[in-house]
Amino acid sequence: NAGVTQTPKFRILKIGQSMTLQCAQDMNHNYMYWYRQDPGMGLKLIYYSVGAGITDKGEVPNGYNVSRSTTEDFPLRLELAAPSQTSVYFCASTRGQGILETQYFGPGTRLLVL
Amino acid sequence: GQQVMQIPQYQHVQEGEDFTTYCNSSTTLSNIQWYKQRPGGHPVFLIQLVKSGEVKKQKRLTFQFGEAKKNSSLHITATQTTDVGTYFCAANTGNQFYFGTGTSLTVIP
Repeated sequence: NAGVTQTPKFRILKIGQSMTLQCAQDMNHNYMYWYRQDPGMGLKLIYYSVGAGITDKGEVPNGYNVSRSTTEDFPLRLELAAPSQTSVYFCASTRGQGILETQYFGPGTRLLVL
Repeated sequence: GQQVMQIPQYQHVQEGEDFTTYCNSSTTLSNIQWYKQRPGGHPVFLIQLVKSGEVKKQKRLTFQFGEAKKNSSLHITATQTTDVGTYFCAANTGNQFYFGTGTSLTVIP
């Protein structure tokens, strides 16, 4: 199993550009998450999904959109990139719901908006 | 949302010294999880605590969950350079995970 994969690894965007961060998992996990991590900070939840066709907002959803058309894929869309979106983005997944679940993280996408 | 505070933010230790990071919540937690993130890497799950007063050990790492289930600690005995990284606690509510700000550990050889 590849686990959780993310592409690209690194990207530079100009203000106002758009892009999609890709995330895929091959563990048949129902739950998937998108986080952003600013330097020296913890992880902030952007969006999450409890299954195909179902998504919900996290703590910091503004400026982002997601979709979940399949169990495997959970792309994150930035429509109008802003410098405040410079961050490292991590995708994660869990098998299901419940307090005993643990998260599996992808390697991250480093985004720089200039 | 759930607030999870973590201290200290940074810690520099000489190799062989001990290290402790603390995680605190104003509300009672159903569980607490600990993750480690190596520099340039992604968070990796270490352990989960569920029971009040629970103590778990992984080699030189000791994890504790407070009696009131509002705080937790991670203690590393005799640090090694391989312990370098940021340690995060996280509260799992079932649907969402709330991460502490992390403690960045530097080990000086």
